[in-house]
Amino acid sequence: DGGITQSPKYLFRKEGQNVTLSCEQNLNHDAMYWYRQDPGQGLRLIYYSQIVNDFQKGDIAEGYSVSREKKESFPLTVTSAQKNPTAFYLCASTQGYNEQFFGPGTRLTVL
Amino acid sequence: GIQVEQSPPDLILQEGANSTLRCNFSDSVNNLQWFHQNPWGQLINLFYIPSGTKQNGRLSATTVATERYSLLYISSSQTTDSGVYFCAVVDNYGQNFVFGPGTRLSVLP
Repeated sequence: DGGITQSPKYLFRKEGQNVTLSCEQNLNHDAMYWYRQDPGQGLRLIYYSQIVNDFQKGDIAEGYSVSREKKESFPLTVTSAQKNPTAFYLCASTQGYNEQFFGPGTRLTVL
Repeated sequence: GIQVEQSPPDLILQEGANSTLRCNFSDSVNNLQWFHQNPWGQLINLFYIPSGTKQNGRLSATTVATERYSLLYISSSQTTDSGVYFCAVVDNYGQNFVFGPGTRLSVLP
């Protein structure tokens, strides 16, 4: 089946640790996105990538980093510089400006 | 950048009732989507509708691009329709999707 997978589903992080969230797609889409959602809020863009080996900051990139070494993969690292990382993280992909598809999300909790 | 507003912010319905959700945007768009976020957080694509009207079962959507709004109609609502409905747009100049704040729908049995 074509789609987007995210892992893990739940992630717990201690203060001062970096953690990496995985996002993989087999839709052959060029563009991939990372969003953050806080409880009761909308989606905010963290980073996006239109093509392999290129990515751009979104509205809330501070404390996060990404890489795009392969078309199908767009991992997100939440660094210790992110002061309030507890949130729901969603990955998405599109082909051009067409329909955007989302993965199931990762819930990150800082202990 | 483009601004996206949704109304109402919250909506409570009895099962079987109909509803209309609205999305207003501040500039021309070349992409507009409606999503339903279920209680588990999954975002489900409802419509890709930069203009015109589409229908899918009990749901339909209309986008009037020249007047900068879109409407999502839910007929004969069911408890499984509960969740948050988001509108997202890409304007004619940007590369990113901008999401509205959402409408939280609760359908009571």
